[in-house]
Formats: sequence, C-alpha cells, structure tokens
Amino acid sequence: KNEVEQSPQNLTAQEGEFITINCSYSVGISALHWLQQHPGGGIVSLFMLSSGKKKHGRLIATINIQEKHSSLHITASHPRDSAVYICAVRSYNTDKLIFGTGTRLQVFP
Amino acid sequence: DTAVSQTPKYLVTQMGNDKSIKCEQNLGHDTMYWYKQDSKKFLKIMFSYNNKELIINETVPNRFSPKSPDKAHLNLHINSLELGDSAVYFCASSQYSGGNYGYTFGSGTRLTVV
Repeated sequence: KNEVEQSPQNLTAQEGEFITINCSYSVGISALHWLQQHPGGGIVSLFMLSSGKKKHGRLIATINIQEKHSSLHITASHPRDSAVYICAVRSYNTDKLIFGTGTRLQVFP
Repeated sequence: DTAVSQTPKYLVTQMGNDKSIKCEQNLGHDTMYWYKQDSKKFLKIMFSYNNKELIINETVPNRFSPKSPDKAHLNLHINSLELGDSAVYFCASSQYSGGNYGYTFGSGTRLTVV
C-alpha cells in the first residue's frame, strides 16, 4: 500500500463544476505539496501546506494534520484545469518527497 | 529565464548505450533531485544532492550515476541502458524557506530505450 493515497484516480467534470481531490497519507510529514502536471508538460507546484488552508485564485488547499488528510478544491472549473494533480508529502523522518499516484482531471466545456 | 532547465527534452537511444541528462538551476537553491516517472505516471525519488554532497540514494541500479560539479548543476549519467529505463526523468531543486522546503521542477526528459 502506497504511503500517499489519492482519490479519485480519474475525474471528469463539466465546466463550472466544483472539484474536490482528496489525499490521505500514513507517514509523519513536515509538509504536503499539491502539484499540477499538464499532458506532456512539466510539473508545477501549486501549494505547500503544513497546516490550515491556502487559496490561490480558484484553487483552495486544506490539510488536517490529525486526520492525515488533505483536499484540493477547484471552484468554477475550466477546461484549462485539465491536468494530473499530484499530492506529495515530505517525510519528517527521511526528508524525502513521497508522491501519490495522481488524479487525472478532465473538464469539458 | 527558466528556473530549472533539463536537457535534452527527448532522448531516444538503443539498449546498451550510455547517455547523460543535464540539469541546471538558477534559483540559488542548495538541494537538487532526480525523480523518475514511470509509465503509470508514478513519481519516485532517485537521488538528492545538497551543496554537491549526495544525501539520498534510493535503491537505484548502479548503472545510474549522478554527478554534481557545483550546487547549480546535477547531471544524471546512465550506463548500459535497458528497456525498463524508459521513463520521464525530472530534475528539481528546493530551498528551505518560511519553515519548509519549496520545490521547483524541470520540464522533464522523456527517455525511450529501443
């Protein structure tokens, strides 16, 4: 079992819908990252969280350290949001970044 | 100005060849990494260097050898390439700031071994 689990694995939505992607982890962490990878493209860091909530434009990321769970929300989704969203945690013990398997999001017009 | 740049972007080569992928960062970060993304898009750490010193060396075949001539460069040399080495390789750098590490990734090198 992977130390970082994401759900769902695949997600399709109509433009304008509210999107939620979930991430659960089983290791002690110093931070959690949400990353975005467009098809054929590089990886962009969206958020780094160690507690609470962060917002950037239409994207909101939350983390609950006690429950070892984080969510990434996209409000008013748009086709350009179509990408793979990856949750990654920095392990407190090993200092390594451990990745989830990613959530493939497709937003249709 | 590209923050973390990798070359080449695409690399097609035959089994048994030796190849290198180069990575440079102009962010002044102390730590650099190599990650491998397999065909299922799963990312995994391979190596980490801090100020030219090897910090993390995952269970990677010793055909893979990282080299860091200075803290702005981390190159990956692969000997005797095998079909299973086909993947996308990402370089990244990080810096400790505001209580934690922020990461910047390169655009990836798609290696195809035929």
